[in-house]
Amino acid sequence: DAGVIQSPRHEVTEMGQEVTLRCKPISGHNSLFWYRQTMMRGLELLIYFNNNVPIDDSGMPEDRFSAKMPNASFSTLKIQPSEPRDSAVYFCASSPSSGRPNEQFFGPGTRLTVL
Amino acid sequence: EDKVVQSPLSLVVHEGDTVTLNCSYEVTNFRSLLWYKQEKKAPTFLFMLTSSGIEKKSGRLSSILDKKELFSILNITATQTGDSAVYLCAVEWGDKIIFGKGTRLHILP
Repeated sequence: DAGVIQSPRHEVTEMGQEVTLRCKPISGHNSLFWYRQTMMRGLELLIYFNNNVPIDDSGMPEDRFSAKMPNASFSTLKIQPSEPRDSAVYFCASSPSSGRPNEQFFGPGTRLTVL
Repeated sequence: EDKVVQSPLSLVVHEGDTVTLNCSYEVTNFRSLLWYKQEKKAPTFLFMLTSSGIEKKSGRLSSILDKKELFSILNITATQTGDSAVYLCAVEWGDKIIFGKGTRLHILP
């Protein structure tokens, strides 16, 4: 079992550039979650999908952030344009059932640094 | 304002000690409270609590919820260096989940 796969593991970019983070959930899981973690704000839920449909995106900070899940095995989180305050670790998690948090399996995260 | 507050923010103890981590919350439509352990990588699930007064136990770790006073504790007995981590508390309410900022626990050999 490969677990949740995220890429890249580290990303360093300059302010204003577009950033795309990728996630492959565990096969058979039908819910997918994107989180952001910083020292100041802790772990925050950005958006989650159930059966590829966005259910709650109230955590998405602003219009610069967008997320898609074109199929059951792939999701992207895009930031355009990126800003230094977006620097954080971004986690993707998947769940085999309809969003029950105790069954979430987290990926290794992408550490994003925006200069 | 924070809806999920964890204390202490950090804790340093010696191996073999017992520690108690606290999580208080203030939400409506409470569904569950969850504890996660985060070492250098991603959080891993420990416990889910939904009912008051029922202790969940896994080895040296145990947790209990008080829905009247709106808090939970996580106990770790006979601590080991491998218990060093950030312990996160999360509260599920409505269709949302909110994490506390965590307690950073360091166990000295």
